[in-house]
Amino acid sequence: AQSVTQLDSHVSVSEGTPVLLRCNYSSSYSPSLFWYVQHPNKGLQLLLKYTSAATLVKGINGFEAEFKKSETSFHLTKPSAHMSDAAEYFCVVSDRYSGGFKTIFGAGTRLFVKA
Amino acid sequence: DTEVTQTPKHLVMGMTNKKSLKCEQHMGHRAMYWYKQKAKKPPELMFVYSYEKLSINESVPSRFSPECPNSSLLNLHLHALQPEDSALYLCASSQEIPGSEQYFGPGTRLTVT
Repeated sequence: AQSVTQLDSHVSVSEGTPVLLRCNYSSSYSPSLFWYVQHPNKGLQLLLKYTSAATLVKGINGFEAEFKKSETSFHLTKPSAHMSDAAEYFCVVSDRYSGGFKTIFGAGTRLFVKA
Repeated sequence: DTEVTQTPKHLVMGMTNKKSLKCEQHMGHRAMYWYKQKAKKPPELMFVYSYEKLSINESVPSRFSPECPNSSLLNLHLHALQPEDSALYLCASSQEIPGSEQYFGPGTRLTVT
């Protein structure tokens, strides 16, 4: 069965320090993986996506993620946090199932950035 | 243009009212989605339209009625809602290609009194 686990419900970093948001997935096939960001009372914005090309994916606003099939992980990183990065982040998997394709959201990780 | 627009931004309605949420995209996407999002939770899929036909209904109560008048528009008709239906309602669209990313609108904040 497909699933997505975001390992931390909250992450707190200081401005200028690295960000790591962790995501593990389970999939029967070769999934497409995404990270979305949601600022308060806003819609979701796509940060980056993996679709079986390069395993290191670069996204917007300095974020990147590495697909590691052996570890079934797709962790999101950024070298230096900015105050504007404070938001909710969702790891999302699009995967095959017997009836077609299904989109599965992780529970989300709230990123706090301290000045 | 990678924008999905939703109107209204905010809606307050009584339990006996009838209202509609609207969503529009001009990216040529043939898949459109309605999600419901409660506070501090991920979006929950409600409906999927593919080529203007309803392809997925995630067992949503009949007081929510979706409509896709054309390939650019998606409506959600609301009637006799309950207070627990208060939430952020998000519309999204994507290409009809497996694994495509979804583009989300800003949402409609619905409050049922």
